[in-house]
Amino acid sequence: EVQLKESGPGLVQPSQTLSLTCTVSGFSLTDYSVHWVRQPPGKGLEWMGVMWSGGSTAYNSALKSRLSISRDTSKSQVFLKMNSLQTEDTAIYYCTRDGERAFDYWGQGVMVTVSS
Amino acid sequence: ETTVTQSPASLSMAVGEKVSISCKTSTDIDDDMNWYQQKSGEAPKLLISEGNTLRPGVPSRFSSSGYGTDFVFTINNVLLGDEGIYYCQQSDNVPWTFGGGTKLELK
Repeated sequence: EVQLKESGPGLVQPSQTLSLTCTVSGFSLTDYSVHWVRQPPGKGLEWMGVMWSGGSTAYNSALKSRLSISRDTSKSQVFLKMNSLQTEDTAIYYCTRDGERAFDYWGQGVMVTVSS
Repeated sequence: ETTVTQSPASLSMAVGEKVSISCKTSTDIDDDMNWYQQKSGEAPKLLISEGNTLRPGVPSRFSSSGYGTDFVFTINNVLLGDEGIYYCQQSDNVPWTFGGGTKLELK
């Protein structure tokens, strides 16, 4: 069974760095790419970036200067790090699998609040 | 970057009616459009993928059409359980971009 699960702190202080982990099961990170998508409260979906199955990355240009995505294939984990957080970064953060160029499986999401 | 413009922003329909949602893209994306349903408090669910392909297990009441820059998502005979927010998303080029969403309410 394919599963993705996000984990990380629920509260981050302004200007600090967010670190999230997406732990996957039921598939290999070398076979499928994993994306990060976020959703501010009451708003729409924003694509953040991707760890391609081959190991390279791509980022939303609006976030590129602050965002880094990496992985540990041996642990089936994909990591997101974003620095200089502001209140506008308050959102639910999802990791999602890329199945033939569509997001076919999603994690439950993790709510991150940026507040002092 | 391809901009995706989705309309309408909200719909209020009666059970049994037909729902139509439009997405227009700023660049030609062939048929690289995906459609998702998001129910309250849940992650989005993929309903239709590129080439207007219905995903396994998704009822045939859901369908889509379109190519190039104009796309339409349709729900025939809408049911109470179809309430939620629907998103289109283009996968032709990075960054993959979403439409703004359509909130579907059932009367």
